[in-house]
Amino acid sequence: NAGVTQTPKFRVLKTGQSMTLLCAQDMNHEYMYWYRQDPGMGLRLIHYSVGEGTTAKGEVPDGYNVSRLKKQNFLLGLESAAPSQTSVYFCASYEGWDTEAFFGQGTRLTVV
Amino acid sequence: GEDVEQSLFLSVREGDSSVINCTYTDSSSTYLYWYKQEPGAGLQLLTYIFSNMDMKQDQRLTVLLNKKDKHLSLRIADTQTGDSAIYFCAESGGYQKVTFGTGTKLQVIP
Repeated sequence: NAGVTQTPKFRVLKTGQSMTLLCAQDMNHEYMYWYRQDPGMGLRLIHYSVGEGTTAKGEVPDGYNVSRLKKQNFLLGLESAAPSQTSVYFCASYEGWDTEAFFGQGTRLTVV
Repeated sequence: GEDVEQSLFLSVREGDSSVINCTYTDSSSTYLYWYKQEPGAGLQLLTYIFSNMDMKQDQRLTVLLNKKDKHLSLRIADTQTGDSAIYFCAESGGYQKVTFGTGTKLQVIP
């Protein structure tokens, strides 16, 4: 049982480049979330999904897009990366919003 | 929107008790959580409390909830160096999402 897997684990992008972060969960959870973690700011919600085919904006959605075409996968896209998007990105999945969150190991993204 | 606040740093000596505090604003919170993040890793659930409870104890961990003041605390008894980590308070109460605090970095001095 792998839980929540994020790929890649590390990435360096140049300003203006695009990339997609993949989150995969094998627990059949309905709810999936993308957070970014910055020093002194905790976890901030970027986008989330409450089921296959659904997405919603979180606290800091600008500059990001997401898709949930399959229940087990939640993709986070950066269309034109900016240095302000340098962060550690965490994906989490939940069975329901009031249950334990299972986190991936994180993706450390640097935009230069 | 919902807000969860924590102090950023706490330093204790090994063997002492640690108390990490958290305040939240959402009066409809139903579950409150404590997560632990070790360096280079994701967050892992330590414990949680339902909003109709005042206290929950789990081995060395004690969670206290003051719903009137919207204050949550995590006490770690006999703190060990392995407890050094960042501790996140989180709450859920609706809108289908969980709100996390800024995290408190606990440093345990041998």
